[in-house]
Amino acid sequence: DSGVTQTPKHLITATGQRVTLRCSPRSGDLSVYWYQQSLDQGLQFLIQYYNGEERAKGNILERFSAQQFPDLHSELNLSSLELGDSALYFCASSGDSRATEAFFGQGTRLTVV
Amino acid sequence: AQSVTQLGSHVSVSEGALVLLRCNYSSSVPPYLFWYVQYPNQGLQLLLKYTSAATLVKGINGFEAEFKKSETSFHLTKPSAHMSDAAEYFCAVRNSGGSNYKLTFGKGTLLTVNP
Repeated sequence: DSGVTQTPKHLITATGQRVTLRCSPRSGDLSVYWYQQSLDQGLQFLIQYYNGEERAKGNILERFSAQQFPDLHSELNLSSLELGDSALYFCASSGDSRATEAFFGQGTRLTVV
Repeated sequence: AQSVTQLGSHVSVSEGALVLLRCNYSSSVPPYLFWYVQYPNQGLQLLLKYTSAATLVKGINGFEAEFKKSETSFHLTKPSAHMSDAAEYFCAVRNSGGSNYKLTFGKGTLLTVNP
């Protein structure tokens, strides 16, 4: 158990819908990273938050957004969903902002039908 | 930008045989390098990391990796494979630029262990 909790584990939704994925980092970790894992693209970095502020952005679509709350949990919002958004979404946390050691959650498997 | 290349998307070994998973990196700055393992329907678990200290890094489950700057490599090895080692393995490099840090992953290598 990495100490990073992601909910829900599985999500099935229709095209055009909006979903929210939730991540609780390890106790005391200030950084949260979101990754998308798909068969064709592999593990792609989406976005990083550190202590409530956006720190780095990767290949995140405009339809996707994220935030980190004062209690340090984070949410990834995916809207206007398309079939191609079906993937495994991982959250990772680290104690610093430099990804010195990142711990991953079990992921949320999103299926868009 | 930093990147990693994992040679071989699928490696198959016999139980008890040497495991060698290859990773080459590209980085203009001294890199931080990582190996993660992903079991089916699980998240990624950190096996080991190199952070510019000892070049031979020992990790969990008997795995180790050697950082070779001259070869820009960080290959993962284990002397004797167990059935429980069957999983997908990812090499990653920490990208750094200004105040931005993130992990960039290779495509992964699926390890199969045959009885």
